[in-house]
Amino acid sequence: DIVMTQSPDSLAVSLGERATINCKSSQSVLYSSNNKNYLAWYQQKPGQPPKLLIYWASTRESGVPDRFSGSGSGTDFTLTISSLQAEDVAVYYCQQYYNTSSYTFGQGTKLEIK
Amino acid sequence: EVQLVESGGGLVQPGGSLRLSCAASGFTFSSYAMNWVRQAPGKGLEWVSAISGTGISAYYADSVKGRFTISRDNSKNTLYLQMNSLRAEDTAVYYCAKKGGGMDVWGKGTTVTVSS
Repeated sequence: DIVMTQSPDSLAVSLGERATINCKSSQSVLYSSNNKNYLAWYQQKPGQPPKLLIYWASTRESGVPDRFSGSGSGTDFTLTISSLQAEDVAVYYCQQYYNTSSYTFGQGTKLEIK
Repeated sequence: EVQLVESGGGLVQPGGSLRLSCAASGFTFSSYAMNWVRQAPGKGLEWVSAISGTGISAYYADSVKGRFTISRDNSKNTLYLQMNSLRAEDTAVYYCAKKGGGMDVWGKGTTVTVSS
């Protein structure tokens, strides 16, 4: 199975500042035939299901604010929130969907306000 | 409106069985692979199982292989998860999720508690 490792486990950022979450996969999730990275980012607030933010590593889901962006390729990926808002407090997960027989999530990163 | 609604959760004894359902609406159900994802209390997300749009191909996490069976009825726009030989560690909220690029639609989840 592809193991997804996020860093840090928790993060405290001041309102209006940048938040950066990293995700590393144990093997490449870049599919060479279409040059797409099979990597998604989700946001989960307490008591709610996860919400898809980013797919193909850098494509923002419809309706997601443009302060959220994804980058990276191969095995190393980053979710960036350019200017943290109070409503962004949540747990964030990366997920690979390259291996169709076993999708795996990172352990999650808890984002709080400093 | 695209919607997924899970049902069938509850309290079950260790070794028991339960069948979860996920009713889909607002999209062409048979065109999309579907997933079950669970979340134990206070823990992260764990992918459990996936099934292709036709239902021909199914995949399972090692933790549930041989005990859980995913299926779908495209005529009823419904996804299922048959869970047998349940263990305490299967206690979780179970979500169904539609696969687009990533999992783009999620239900609110149904809670399964395995306890004597």
